[in-house]
Amino acid sequence: QPVLTQSSSASASLGSSVRLTCTLSSGHSRSTIAWHQQQPGKAPRYVMKVEGSGDYNKGTGIPDRFSGSSSGADRYLTISNVQSEDEADYYCETWDSYTVFGGGTRLTVL
Amino acid sequence: QLQLQESGPGLMKPSETLSLTCTVSGGSISSGVFYWGWIRQPPGKGLEWIGSIYYTGTTHYNPSLRRRVTISVDTSKSQFSLELSSVTAADTAVYYCARRLTYSSFDSWGQGTLVTVSS
Repeated sequence: QPVLTQSSSASASLGSSVRLTCTLSSGHSRSTIAWHQQQPGKAPRYVMKVEGSGDYNKGTGIPDRFSGSSSGADRYLTISNVQSEDEADYYCETWDSYTVFGGGTRLTVL
Repeated sequence: QLQLQESGPGLMKPSETLSLTCTVSGGSISSGVFYWGWIRQPPGKGLEWIGSIYYTGTTHYNPSLRRRVTISVDTSKSQFSLELSSVTAADTAVYYCARRLTYSSFDSWGQGTLVTVSS
């Protein structure tokens, strides 16, 4: 089954842009992934799906500041004009017979 | 609007069987396009998928937990349930129920319930 690798932490200044990366393991470079946001003390929230083609499909109510892209085995979540409420843990997810989550990236807004 | 609500005991003793129920409202648990799943998160750690169930009763389990996990569904009550046997302190976590599209990701989450295993 696939393995998802994420950096443990990232930071961005208020109003800047940041790109988070989720890397698929060998043999799964074409897989679609999903991004979930977990703000402190809250349940995860679905953000978007990102396909191997780079196409992405956002969940209801996700701001336009959030976008997705892809390059090879890497899937990206880009947040433009970072706001304080974007400070959260971000998890990627993929699936075949089973569901797999990445270890998560903690985004700190400076 | 879809809502998922977990319920169950917050405190358990080692070796007991954990039982949680997720009640689905605002949508049909019998819709053929969704699976229903359980995910847990130990304090300060990441998300771990436990397993998923289709309304017909078809299940998929995390291989690392398969021997101890049973997930069932009661469509008449719009509920699905988790049983985890022989719990230890390592099973202490927030347990979430969630909906996922068939052959796709989870797209709606419950608020989660903390289960603590302690003697």
